[in-house]
Amino acid sequence: AQRVTQPEKLLSVFKGAPVELKCNYSYSGSPELFWYVQYSRQRLQLLLRHISRESIKGFTADLNKGETSFHLKKPFAQEEDSAMYYCALSGMREYGNKLVFGAGTILRVKS
Amino acid sequence: DTGVSQDPRHKITKRGQNVTFRCDPISEHNRLYWYRQTLGQGPEFLTYFQNEAQLEKSRLLSDRFSAERPKGSFSTLEIQRTEQGDSAMYLCASSQAQASGTYEQYFGPGTRLTVT
Repeated sequence: AQRVTQPEKLLSVFKGAPVELKCNYSYSGSPELFWYVQYSRQRLQLLLRHISRESIKGFTADLNKGETSFHLKKPFAQEEDSAMYYCALSGMREYGNKLVFGAGTILRVKS
Repeated sequence: DTGVSQDPRHKITKRGQNVTFRCDPISEHNRLYWYRQTLGQGPEFLTYFQNEAQLEKSRLLSDRFSAERPKGSFSTLEIQRTEQGDSAMYLCASSQAQASGTYEQYFGPGTRLTVT
């Protein structure tokens, strides 16, 4: 079964502190992993995907197949990072590339 | 605005009524997805189209739900005999399938349905 688990509903950090949003997944095959972000009153948008290995807005995420994890990290949080973050997976070319989402983690960055 | 659009943005209906939502994808995108999101949960897949063909439906999509994409452009999602449990945000997304298998789904703003 495909499943994405985000164990924290809320993560609250001070500005300038490191951030790690946890994501674990289960999938039998080769998944593609994503982080989506939703800022207040905005639509869901892609933040980054594991295959591109990019750093977007200072965020990075490494796929760890051994631990089936795809944690999102940022060394120094900024107030504008406050948002809802969703981890998601899809099968490569399978299942129509539909996305399976975790429940999301609210990130609050305090000044 | 050239992004995915959805109409209406909000819908309040009484239990037992039928409702229909519309999604207009990004024009060159051949794939269109519907998701449902309830409070405290991430979006859950309902169904998707490649061009006008509906290729997969989730078990979440009961027989009261029907989706169409008649000309491979916009899509409609109809819920018949609405129930209170149908109250949710209905999200539409579109993507352009590529030979490499990589893609990005672009989401619309959603239609919030409240069934009273």
